[in-house]
Amino acid sequence: AQSVTQPDIHITVSEGASLELRCNYSYGATPYLFWYVQSPGQGLQLLLKYFSGDTLVQGIKGFEAEFKRSQSSFNLRKPSVHWSDAAEYFCAVGPSGNTPLVFGKGTRLSVIA
Amino acid sequence: NAGVTQTPKFQVLKTGQSMTLQCAQDMNHNSMYWYRQDPGMGLRLIYYSASEGTTDKGEVPNGYNVSRLNKREFSLRLESAAPSQTSVYFCASGDIGYTFGSGTRLTVV
Repeated sequence: AQSVTQPDIHITVSEGASLELRCNYSYGATPYLFWYVQSPGQGLQLLLKYFSGDTLVQGIKGFEAEFKRSQSSFNLRKPSVHWSDAAEYFCAVGPSGNTPLVFGKGTRLSVIA
Repeated sequence: NAGVTQTPKFQVLKTGQSMTLQCAQDMNHNSMYWYRQDPGMGLRLIYYSASEGTTDKGEVPNGYNVSRLNKREFSLRLESAAPSQTSVYFCASGDIGYTFGSGTRLTVV
């Protein structure tokens, strides 16, 4: 069965510092992988996605993620965090046939001055 | 280009009352989904519809029913609300990546 693990429940970084959010997945084949962001009181917005090809994908808001098949990981990165990046971030894997996406439990990002 | 529209945005119910959450998408997606979000639990799938005329249970279907009215609309019904159904409900549509609505914050007292 598909599963997604986001090991960090909450991360705090200083504004201007770099960021890496971890995502590990379990999936039987080459997965589709996604990162979503949820600002307080809002719905989820797609940041980026990986289907195939180049393993480093660029997304919106200056985010990027790297697919590493050998580590079953799809970590999200940003070189310099802005206060407006404070939000909750969800990694997702799938779908397979008609089976829906499987989401991780999320990582809450706090940004301090 | 509204995307996914959910109504209402907020609702307070008394235990035992019923209500229907509405969701509509204008992106011609085949698949639609209902999730609930609770603190520390992430997103949990309640029901989904892979195509018009089909619905399937997700992880937490008990206490809910759904109707895929047509390709655009997918409603979620609580027949007899319970305090455990206090949550934020999200509708999504999409055949690979999903587009989410802005959510319904439901409180059952």
